[in-house]
Amino acid sequence: GIQVEQSPPDLILQEGANSTLRCNFSDSVNNLQWFHQNPWGQLINLFYIPSGTKQNGRLSATTVATERYSLLYISSSQTTDSGVYFCAVEVSGGSQGNLIFGKGTKLSVKP
Amino acid sequence: ETGVTQTPRHLVMGMTNKKSLKCEQHLGHNAMYWYKQSAKKPLELMFVYSLEERVENNSVPSRFSPECPNSSHLFLHLHTLQPEDSALYLCASRLVTGTEAFFGQGTRLTVV
Repeated sequence: GIQVEQSPPDLILQEGANSTLRCNFSDSVNNLQWFHQNPWGQLINLFYIPSGTKQNGRLSATTVATERYSLLYISSSQTTDSGVYFCAVEVSGGSQGNLIFGKGTKLSVKP
Repeated sequence: ETGVTQTPRHLVMGMTNKKSLKCEQHLGHNAMYWYKQSAKKPLELMFVYSLEERVENNSVPSRFSPECPNSSHLFLHLHTLQPEDSALYLCASRLVTGTEAFFGQGTRLTVV
């Protein structure tokens, strides 16, 4: 099956710093989403981005489908950005809507 | 608020109990999913329902029994669970031919 690898696994930042999270996947995908899991377990949708670039406030994401990777940028990080960031992909031609998740990047933003 | 609501948020049950988890969405989606998140493991897909029919069962033990009575509701019936079944159970929904999946808040299950 498809492999989804996220890096780094852990990241500690000082408030105000910028960061880049990476998601590599091993097969063609027709759906890629970035989620933020808050301390209570809720998965918050950040981006639906099977290709191209999107921006939402301090967050932006870029997916280069032909090279099978996606990047999530966090600028001017805040303590509320702490949590686990997941990348999830849906394989092209695969089972209906099955999102395959990476292991996540755990981000800690210190004040 | 994502539009997907799970109840209860927390559940403690004994190994001989029977309980049910509930998921509800009013987003007009046609597909619903159960995922399991154990400590230090990636989210694992358990069941998929598309247009109220089960289309995937990811080798889940029979002590977990899903039910999808209509496109807005999804249940996970639990019986004779094991302590290793303790985990966060997440429900998601999306359009069958659509794009984004949306998740509920999860049910944190502890089996004692």
